[in-house]
Amino acid sequence: EIVMTQSPATLSVSPGERATLSCRASQSISSNLAWYQQKPGQAPRLLIYGASTRATGIPARFSGSGSGIEFTLTISSLQSEDFAVYYCQQYNNWPRWTFGQGTKVEIK
Amino acid sequence: EVQLVESGGGLIQPGGSLRLSCAASGFTVSSTYMSWVRQAPGKGLEWVSIIYTDGTTYYADSVKGRFTISRDNSKNTLYFQMNSLRAEDTAVYYCAMGYQPLHVNFWGQGTLVTVSS
Repeated sequence: EIVMTQSPATLSVSPGERATLSCRASQSISSNLAWYQQKPGQAPRLLIYGASTRATGIPARFSGSGSGIEFTLTISSLQSEDFAVYYCQQYNNWPRWTFGQGTKVEIK
Repeated sequence: EVQLVESGGGLIQPGGSLRLSCAASGFTVSSTYMSWVRQAPGKGLEWVSIIYTDGTTYYADSVKGRFTISRDNSKNTLYFQMNSLRAEDTAVYYCAMGYQPLHVNFWGQGTLVTVSS
């Protein structure tokens, strides 16, 4: 099983600041990585796939980068609606997807 | 507009059975890759099962032999038959759709399954 490790567990950021979230795979997954956003009581929402391609309707302030085992999600200027939990997911070993444990982005 | 509406969750005793349903609209279930992903209370996401467009099914080791994914094309609905339920199966179960068997493009709102005596 490919283990996905996200860091930090919690990120405290002020509105308007940049947030950088990390995701590491236990083995190379090429660019087969997606990022999701989940707000309390809601279903996740696809943000990024292919490590760096924004999903339909996702604002340009969200960007993804990386390949192999190290990946990053960057939110360039945090808006109030961006405070949420973010999950990475590998699909290199499809259909057996695995998710990271999540990073909570909270208001500083 | 794509919509996924789950139903069928509830409180069930260990060893019992439940069948979850996911009514889809705005697309054809048989033409997409449909999955169930669960989230235990306060925990992260766990992939559980997927059904491909050709009907091929896959399961996580934790549920293999106990759970069955299926679809009814005439009703455009996805199902999840869960047998021999255990306390560790307690979670919100999300119905999820992907245009490819790679990641999820759309999620339902989830249905809570609680396994407890």
